[in-house]
Amino acid sequence: QITLKESGPTLVKPTQTLTLTCTFSGFSLSTNGVSVGWIRQPPGKALEWLALIYWDDDKRYSPSLKSRLTITKDTSKNQVVLTMTNMDPVDTATYYCAHRGRIWGSGTYYDYWGQGTPVTVSS
Amino acid sequence: QSALTQPASVSGSPGQSITISCTGTSSDVGAYNYVSWYQQHPGKAPKLMLYDVSDRPSGVSNRFSGSKSGNTASLTISGLQAEDEADYYCSSYTSSYTSVFGGGTKLTVL
Repeated sequence: QITLKESGPTLVKPTQTLTLTCTFSGFSLSTNGVSVGWIRQPPGKALEWLALIYWDDDKRYSPSLKSRLTITKDTSKNQVVLTMTNMDPVDTATYYCAHRGRIWGSGTYYDYWGQGTPVTVSS
Repeated sequence: QSALTQPASVSGSPGQSITISCTGTSSDVGAYNYVSWYQQHPGKAPKLMLYDVSDRPSGVSNRFSGSKSGNTASLTISGLQAEDEADYYCSSYTSSYTSVFGGGTKLTVL
């Protein structure tokens, strides 16, 4: 049974760096083909794809946010960490981590999602 | 990359069929058969409904179907039920090896 859970601060100040942790179970990021992504959703708005990390440490980032994002993994802890620098009120959103459903090949879809963690950016 | 284009809202009566479109470009929707659809109820995490344009994960009703033509993908829900009322998002793999979501469509069951 695959589960994911996001954790991190609920409130950050503008210009600060946000660090979110995704703790998962039911799979291992050391297994060939496995990957985990981050997606966010501002209140009342659409989903926005942020980043993806593969079992082999390959990484993909949203082009519009690439300069601010870093995704890493700790295989021993079954965790994926997303950091976002220079936070702004427009970054206020619920942040989700999710398991990429495809194990081999191209193409990405997310078959298991965490419950999401809300982050507010305000001074 | 720009968000995929979806209608803001669609509606239908119980038992009817509705279709939600998702329009991208030749660099995403048109480039691969890697379009997925998600259902999201208020306050809940998204749920995968279709992947690879038309494949259904285990447990998803066969009332949900998908198709694609050129740069536009479509989600069709037949035999509408009250529980189908939710927001729906499409997503596509891109030629930059990233993903992009649509703007979302609110489905109202009248």
